[in-house]
Amino acid sequence: GAVVSQHPSWVICKSGTSVKIECRSLDFQATTMFWYRQFPKQSLMLMATSNEGSKATYEQGVEKDKFLINHASLTLSTLTVTSAHPEDSSFYICSAGPGASTDTQYFGPGTRLTVL
Amino acid sequence: GESVGLHLPTLSVQEGDNSIINCAYSNSASDYFIWYKQESGKGPQFIIDIRSNMDKRQGQRVTVLLNKTVKHLSLQIAATQPGDSAVYFCAENTSGNTPLVFGKGTRLSVIA
Repeated sequence: GAVVSQHPSWVICKSGTSVKIECRSLDFQATTMFWYRQFPKQSLMLMATSNEGSKATYEQGVEKDKFLINHASLTLSTLTVTSAHPEDSSFYICSAGPGASTDTQYFGPGTRLTVL
Repeated sequence: GESVGLHLPTLSVQEGDNSIINCAYSNSASDYFIWYKQESGKGPQFIIDIRSNMDKRQGQRVTVLLNKTVKHLSLQIAATQPGDSAVYFCAENTSGNTPLVFGKGTRLSVIA
């Protein structure tokens, strides 16, 4: 149980284009999902907290207009990187936990974004 | 700001030996701790967790120890195998579906 999937697993795009990444909880409902970014040989950095049916909460320094988050259902959150640039190239990972007040979070397999 | 950190960035062990990965945390309000294993190109995989009302918890070949006095967390892996080679992160939060704060990670290399 507690499986989280992401799609796509990797994507290569041209500078200036937008890329959408999906995060799904496959066997549980998640009112809250979290989006992280990870650069090579570094730890995970929280970008935003995605809340079902309401606006996402962004961490300091993360541009909400650049990283659009939509959490339209209890099993799906999407992260759209708008007008992507090479510096946005990174490994994007989402996490979610079953229940409304769970502590344990399970992570998706990640999405490798490369912007040319 | 408060953060979760690690004492050792890299650790090499012989296959069959026990491994100990350490982590220091500074947020005294944290009451839930998790160890994750991350293989190259993959998302973090849950290993074991522990709550602040415990000081030890055992899983299959893994044990997590929590010392709240010195704010120290450790992960012990028994009979380390080549498949254990990965980066291990400790993470912490306060209860209630709050974001996790990750440590810097320790790379474990198992020598066959």
